[in-house]
This record gives sequence, C-alpha cells and structure tokens, in this order.
Amino acid sequence: QKEVEQDPGPLSVPEGAIVSLNCTYSNSAFQYFMWYRQYSRKGPELLMYTYSSGNKEDGRFTAQVDKSSKYISLFIRDSQPSDSATYLCATANTGNQFYFGTGTSLTVIP
Amino acid sequence: DAGVIQSPRHEVTEMGQEVTLRCKPISGHDYLFWYRQTMMRGLELLIYFNNNVPIDDSGMPEDRFSAKMPNASFSTLKIQPSEPRDSAVYFCASRATLSYEQYFGPGTRLTVT
Repeated sequence: QKEVEQDPGPLSVPEGAIVSLNCTYSNSAFQYFMWYRQYSRKGPELLMYTYSSGNKEDGRFTAQVDKSSKYISLFIRDSQPSDSATYLCATANTGNQFYFGTGTSLTVIP
Repeated sequence: DAGVIQSPRHEVTEMGQEVTLRCKPISGHDYLFWYRQTMMRGLELLIYFNNNVPIDDSGMPEDRFSAKMPNASFSTLKIQPSEPRDSAVYFCASRATLSYEQYFGPGTRLTVT
C-alpha cells in the first residue's frame, strides 16, 4: 500500500467553480500535511501547509486534514484559469521524508 | 535569489551510457534532496543530505545510482549504466534547517533510449 493515494483526474471545471482535491494516507504517525502546485515543465511549489488536524485558509485556498479518517483535502474557491496545474498532496512525520501523491491534473476553462 | 539550479534541463542518452545530473541548492540551505518523478509512481525521494553528508539513501533504486555532495553549493546524481526505465524527471530540492519548506528546482528530464 502506498503511503499516500491521490486520484489522478484529470479534472476539468469552468472558471469560478469550487474545486475539491483529495488524498488519503496510510500512516497515522504523519503530522505534516502539504499541498504543492506544479505547472507544466516546472518544479513543485508549496501552496499550503498544515500541522496535525484542522483547517487552514489562505485566500481562495482551504486545506483540511481529518486525521481520524486519514483524509486530506484542498478546496479552491472561485477557480481561475491560472489555477490550471497539477496538485500534489504530501505527508511527513519529519521535515525530510515527504511522501507525495501522484498528483491531480486540474484544468480551469475560461 | 536564483532558487535551486539544475543542469542539464534535458538529457537524452543511450542505454548503457553514464548520466550525471547536477544541482546547486539555495545558498544557506542545509538540506538537499534528490527526487524522481514518473507518471506511474509520482514523486519519490531518492536520497537526502544534511550539511553535505548523506543521511538516507534508502530510496536509491539500485547500485547503478550514486549521489555526492562535495560542498554546500553543489551535488551530483549519477546513473551508470543508464537503462530505459530510468527515464523520468529528476528534481533537486533544498531547505533550511529551521523550515519545513522544500524548494524545488526546475528538474532534469532524462530520456534513455
């Protein structure tokens, strides 16, 4: 079983839609939860970070962690064409050994 | 700050050849990571260094892979001999000791024919 499972999509939504991206993880020891955004032919860049359970909001982005069900989510409100990218979830129990999902490809159609 | 620098950006080589990928981390970052990304397996950690010392190389797939960090501003990942299944995008990332955030380079797209 992989440490992190993520639906690869692809996901296509109209501009302005609410997007929900989800991952599940296997190890209850994971404490750090991250979402990375990766544009085509670029390296991943950190989008959101949460420690332990709960929600975190940053502008149009909200990250949620439910440790009881080992489920992590990223919500994008008022999606924009510039949000079109691949979104990678990641978990860790230290700052070094990150486990990444395979990524969900998102296209926001103008 | 120029960010993490990787070279070459693209590499096409024939099976059996030696391949060397290069990385310059962000100045002041104590940790350096090498990852491999494929469609099937996603982003996988190969090895990471702390203060130029390899700490965990359990992700290195085989003895054909080796990594070095001779100083704080340079690291190499070498594949010898290369095989078609090594075709992937290889990323280098670095982070500072007191930060959780890893900064990724642009990657090297390796194709082994």
